[in-house]
Amino acid sequence: LAKTTQPISMDSYEGQEVNITCSHNNIATNDYITWYQQFPSQGPRFIIQGYKTKVTNEVASLFIPADRKSSTLSLPRVSLSDTAVYYCLVAIYNQGGKLIFGQGTELSVKP
Amino acid sequence: SAVISQKPSRDICQRGTSLTIQCQVDSQVTMMFWYRQQPGQSLTLIATANQGSEATYESGFVIDKFPISRPNLTFSTLTVSNMSPEDSSIYLCSVTGAGVMNTEAFFGQGTRLTVV
Repeated sequence: LAKTTQPISMDSYEGQEVNITCSHNNIATNDYITWYQQFPSQGPRFIIQGYKTKVTNEVASLFIPADRKSSTLSLPRVSLSDTAVYYCLVAIYNQGGKLIFGQGTELSVKP
Repeated sequence: SAVISQKPSRDICQRGTSLTIQCQVDSQVTMMFWYRQQPGQSLTLIATANQGSEATYESGFVIDKFPISRPNLTFSTLTVSNMSPEDSSIYLCSVTGAGVMNTEAFFGQGTRLTVV
């Protein structure tokens, strides 16, 4: 599985858009890019997944350039409750949920 | 989605003893996964619990230390054996929900283990 690199921490203010970029230079053809969110004392929660171009759901957008060597998670208008650790993962589709977590980005949203 | 229940939610154990953590899922799943999250760290995959066969362990984890059972498609246990303070971590169970893309996993709330 491809290794991912993302910033260790980020700060933001309420109402701002937050973009977290993840590098995955060794991504393989069958790999999908997945993002998870984890609050303290809870298990991680799936946010979004993509293969290429742009994916949007009710929570976030995921931008993936053509070479797929990086991806950017975009959180629109963050609130205090978005303070959490965000993990970028590269996972093989149809491997049944086996995930290898990197270090994650600790996002702190301030009033 | 899948709902996962883990027991116990937390425990304080003496070194040298063993603790068995239970993971119950509200639907049948093929594979279940066990992770460890040490304080302030990311998650590390311990093993994949396969129904009807031996668990598959990741590098650095062995069956003698972390025996796993998977008696059916909705239940698994992880035992932390001969515990030391270094085993103090949160242990999480995970599954993939049926009918969704397989990179969407669901996690239990975790078991917070403190070894004294």
